[in-house]
Amino acid sequence: QKEVEQNSGPLSVPEGAIASLNCTYSDRGSQSFFWYRQYSGKSPELIMFIYSNGDKEDGRFTAQLNKASQYVSLLIRDSQPSDSATYLCAVNDSGGGADGLTFGKGTHLIIQP
Amino acid sequence: EPEVTQTPSHQVTQMGQEVILRCVPISNHLYFYWYRQILGQKVEFLVSFYNNEISEKSEIFDDQFSVERPDGSNFTLKIRSTKLEDSAMYFCASSGLLGYEKLFFGSGTQLSVL
Repeated sequence: QKEVEQNSGPLSVPEGAIASLNCTYSDRGSQSFFWYRQYSGKSPELIMFIYSNGDKEDGRFTAQLNKASQYVSLLIRDSQPSDSATYLCAVNDSGGGADGLTFGKGTHLIIQP
Repeated sequence: EPEVTQTPSHQVTQMGQEVILRCVPISNHLYFYWYRQILGQKVEFLVSFYNNEISEKSEIFDDQFSVERPDGSNFTLKIRSTKLEDSAMYFCASSGLLGYEKLFFGSGTQLSVL
C-alpha cells in the first residue's frame, strides 16, 4: 500500500517569507513527484514536478527531492496571500501517464498579510 | 487555455440509483482519468483510460464502476448502484504524451448520495 504523508497544518507564514512544505512517501520505487495546489472547493492545479534528486526551481517555487530519504519538499519564496491554499504532494511509479497518482492529504498553508 | 469540462457540477441521487458523470477531456489528449475526493480527505485515483481501454484501476474501482468513451469527445464514469459512501467530489482529468507533466483536472462533479 503506497502512502504519501504530509503535515496537515495549518502552516501559517507571514507575507514575503519562505513557506516550506514537506512530504514523505513509502514506496521506494516511486519515480515521479508532483506538487499540486488546491483552493477550497476547486480542483488540483499542478505547480511543479521533479524526477531527479536535488533541487528544481520555477519562479518563486523550488522543489527538492531526496530519494534516499524518501522525502520531497516545496519551498515558496516571497509568499503572497494568493498562495494560501492546500498543497498536495503526489507520487507516481513512472510519470508516463497510465499509472495513477498517489496523493497525500495535503498541507493547508495560510499566508498572513 | 484548454480545459477539461465536467457535467453536472452537482448531482444528488438516492442510494441504489445509477449515476453517470460526464467529462469532455482536452481534444488532443490521450490519457483520461477519474479521481475522487471525499470531503476533507485525500484525492484518490480511480481509473486511467488509454487507447479505448482501462490502463489501470484502483481497489476503489470495483464492479459497481465503469468507464466509457462513447464517442470521440466524451468520457463517462458510471456508478451502477450508488452507496452513501460514494458521496464525494469526482474529478476527471486528461493528459497528452507528456503524461503527468501536463495533467489537467476538470472542475469536478459533487455527488451526494442520500
